[in-house]
Amino acid sequence: GAVVSQHPSWVICKSGTSVKIECRSLDFQATTMFWYRQFPKQSLMLMATSNEGSKATYEQGVEKDKFLINHASLTLSTLTVTSAHPEDSSFYICSAQDSGVEKLFFGSGTQLSVL
Amino acid sequence: KQEVTQIPAALSVPEGENLVLNCSFTDSAIYNLQWFRQDPGKGLTSLLLIQSSQREQTSGRLNASLDKSSGRSTLYIAASQPGDSATYLCAVRPYDFGNEKLTFGTGTRLTIIP
Repeated sequence: GAVVSQHPSWVICKSGTSVKIECRSLDFQATTMFWYRQFPKQSLMLMATSNEGSKATYEQGVEKDKFLINHASLTLSTLTVTSAHPEDSSFYICSAQDSGVEKLFFGSGTQLSVL
Repeated sequence: KQEVTQIPAALSVPEGENLVLNCSFTDSAIYNLQWFRQDPGKGLTSLLLIQSSQREQTSGRLNASLDKSSGRSTLYIAASQPGDSATYLCAVRPYDFGNEKLTFGTGTRLTIIP
């Protein structure tokens, strides 16, 4: 089945630094990828839709200057958390759609802890 | 705005029992509904996808049903095993052309007691 690789799986950083998370579709092309955020024991909240070759579409309340998304190729999207603060600590998950099967495949997630 | 609710929030059952997880959604204009499994600290694994025109889907011990008009879906797990312990999420995709955004439910945390 389709595989989505997300890296790193966990990261600890100091407040004020920036962290980049990568999401790759390994065996299919994804014109659209999605970035979600999940707080402990809560469901996934969509942050933004990443479109290959164009600007990302952010959900209401998500700061686009803080959560930079780049979708430079059909297999790679990156999320950069800029000037991270402790309140940004969360589990971030990406997903990509394999249009051939109309299913969304998810990465394994990244646990971000900001000290 | 679509809202997806899952009841119960947590469930514990002895191994071997059959169980049902519930998912309800407020807007019946959906394209499809998916059930996912999430293990602690991990991503999501798609279990079953039901198109809006379908009534149910089966995979092994899992059976998912969809009643779009009433805004409900159920996930039936037969002969539960300890390995089934996880959080189960349902998600709906809207019936908008080109809109692939999913709205997730709140999840049911399932524990199978050996």
